[in-house]
Amino acid sequence: QLQLQESGPGLVTPSETLSLTCTVSGGSFSSSAYYWGWIRQPPGKGLEWIGSIYYSGTTYYNPSLKSRVTISIDTSKNQFSLNLSTVTAADTAVYYCARVRVRYYGLDYWGQGTLVTVSS
Amino acid sequence: QSALTQPASVSESPGQSITISCTGTSSDVGSYDLVSWYQQHPGKAPKLVIYEVTKRPSGISNRFSGSKSGNAASLTISGLQAEDEADYYCCSYAGTSTLVVFGGGTKLTVL
Repeated sequence: QLQLQESGPGLVTPSETLSLTCTVSGGSFSSSAYYWGWIRQPPGKGLEWIGSIYYSGTTYYNPSLKSRVTISIDTSKNQFSLNLSTVTAADTAVYYCARVRVRYYGLDYWGQGTLVTVSS
Repeated sequence: QSALTQPASVSESPGQSITISCTGTSSDVGSYDLVSWYQQHPGKAPKLVIYEVTKRPSGISNRFSGSKSGNAASLTISGLQAEDEADYYCCSYAGTSTLVVFGGGTKLTVL
């Protein structure tokens, strides 16, 4: 059974960079059938697509966040990572990683999510 | 990239049916049969319940169904049960620059 697990600091200082890693286990990671994505959800609000990466390293970003987001992949460790720069309180959210099926662009497996709070 | 438009909340009695709408544009919902729907219970990760507009993943009840017309998609849940009470999000492929866009979410209350 495929599992995704987010990891990283739960507290980030304003203006700094938020960094999270998603570790994938129990399935094929370097496959042309999947993208690997990041999604966030501010407290009490809806889901927001951040972006995704293909096993080859090709990235796709939400235009509203593109200037601050970098997603990278390490196929040797079955991990992909999110960096979000110059954070503010508005970036406080639960951050999810997920697998995206190339065939139909559905997110079929999700991590449990990790709360990141931006505060001094 | 604007989010897809969903009603903030809907409610219905157990045993009845409910339809949740999701309105996009000709750049996303209207151009591709690649709409998916997610169910999210409080404190939990979202769960895929519909993909490619009408298809159900293995293990999802046939009480869940989807459809699309023009720039709008819909999720219908029949025979409502208490366990269906959750937030529901639509999502559509939106092109190669961003890949996908989500709806704002709909809170379903089973009265």
